[in-house]
Amino acid sequence: EDKVVQSPLSLVVHEGDTVTLNCSYEVTNFRSLLWYKQEKKAPTFLFMLTSSGIEKKSGRLSSILDKKELSSILNITATQTGDSAIYLCAVGEGGGSNYKLTFGKGTLLTVNP
Amino acid sequence: DAGVTQSPTHLIKTRGQQVTLRCSPISGHKSVSWYQQVLGQGPQFIFQYYEKEERGRGNFPDRFSARQFPNYSSELNVNALLLGDSALYLCASSLWTWEITGELFFGEGSRLTVL
Repeated sequence: EDKVVQSPLSLVVHEGDTVTLNCSYEVTNFRSLLWYKQEKKAPTFLFMLTSSGIEKKSGRLSSILDKKELSSILNITATQTGDSAIYLCAVGEGGGSNYKLTFGKGTLLTVNP
Repeated sequence: DAGVTQSPTHLIKTRGQQVTLRCSPISGHKSVSWYQQVLGQGPQFIFQYYEKEERGRGNFPDRFSARQFPNYSSELNVNALLLGDSALYLCASSLWTWEITGELFFGEGSRLTVL
């Protein structure tokens, strides 16, 4: 079964809208939750959230980790067409040499002008 | 500064063949990871290498193997290709502290099509 579940799988909005992307997880040795943006091929790093850093913000993007609910949200305000991409949520588990990322399927966001 | 570079960018193989994919990490990065991304799915972890030693392996068959060279570049080999191996293969490099910083840098990937 999937360890990292993202919703919705796809979303179409208009420029200026605010969107909320969801990620829930179920892992045995949680260390961190990461968000990546994938526009063409290479995912690019957005945020990392851990027990010591459950809220991050960068410009119009912000993310919160809810360790009790085993979930995270990624908010994008005042969306622009350049925000169109696949947003990937990944959970880091294990530690040291056993640390690895498990990705969700992603949310395809399309921002129309 | 050059980012993570992968080669080839695209390749087509037939079932049963073997393929080798190459990755050069960012200068100074000693850790390389390989991921497989099938269309419509998120990347799936295949291998992680650090200082030329395998440090992690995902749930992939033994047909998949990899190695890291003294200059920290890496190769991913897949034998006896199946149609289901068609995917984008992503390489990611990082400093050893990426577990703390989260900064995993991905290459553009190698798109493998198996016919």
